Amino acid sequence: DTGVSQNPRHKITKRGQNVTFRCDPISEHNRLYWYRQTLGQGPEFLTYFQNEAQLEKSRLLSDRFSAERPKGSFSTLEIQRTEQGDSAMYLCASSLGRFPNYGYTFGSGTRLTVV
Amino acid sequence: ELKVEQNPLFLSMQEGKNYTIYCNYSTTSDRLYWYRQDPGKSLESLFVLLSNGAVKQEGRLMASLDTKARLSTLHITAAVHDLSATYFCAVNNAGNMLTFGGGTRLMVKP
Repeated sequence: DTGVSQNPRHKITKRGQNVTFRCDPISEHNRLYWYRQTLGQGPEFLTYFQNEAQLEKSRLLSDRFSAERPKGSFSTLEIQRTEQGDSAMYLCASSLGRFPNYGYTFGSGTRLTVV
Repeated sequence: ELKVEQNPLFLSMQEGKNYTIYCNYSTTSDRLYWYRQDPGKSLESLFVLLSNGAVKQEGRLMASLDTKARLSTLHITAAVHDLSATYFCAVNNAGNMLTFGGGTRLMVKP
């Protein structure tokens, strides 16, 4: 297993378009998290899954955002009707269990630019 | 609501010098994580601190955790240019997600 994989690495879209990102976690990790990071800031939590169940969503996750994790494997994050304020790095992380002794493993991120 | 604060936000230091980055958090937690981020890259795990009094060292970096004071420190010894990066601390919020500090951007000058 080579770690957490995210695709695409970069996405440029016009305002109003829909975009979808994919995250493939470490295979034995049951928890998957999405974060958003804007320039010069720390990552901010968006949502997380335990297996296929989405257990918590941040207030940052407006109704234009939806995330899925079918079958508890990979996850997708879709943003509808993108706005310039959605431009950010979207990071996916995975962990084994609720209190991972070895921490959370982050993917390389998807950088979204809305023009 | 859990708040995590780091200071300083920006640190410029000479090679060979020592310095400490501080991470304060607002609610009880006994798990704290330190990450490094290079420009345009993702987060690299540095340390996982799991209990009060935990101390971990890797090369020129040493991290410690005082859960009673709700404080973690990342100490840099004899800094070298390769340590230039942004360092984040993050606290596990009731086991459900990480809450990150704002980051400390470290620049080590020759």
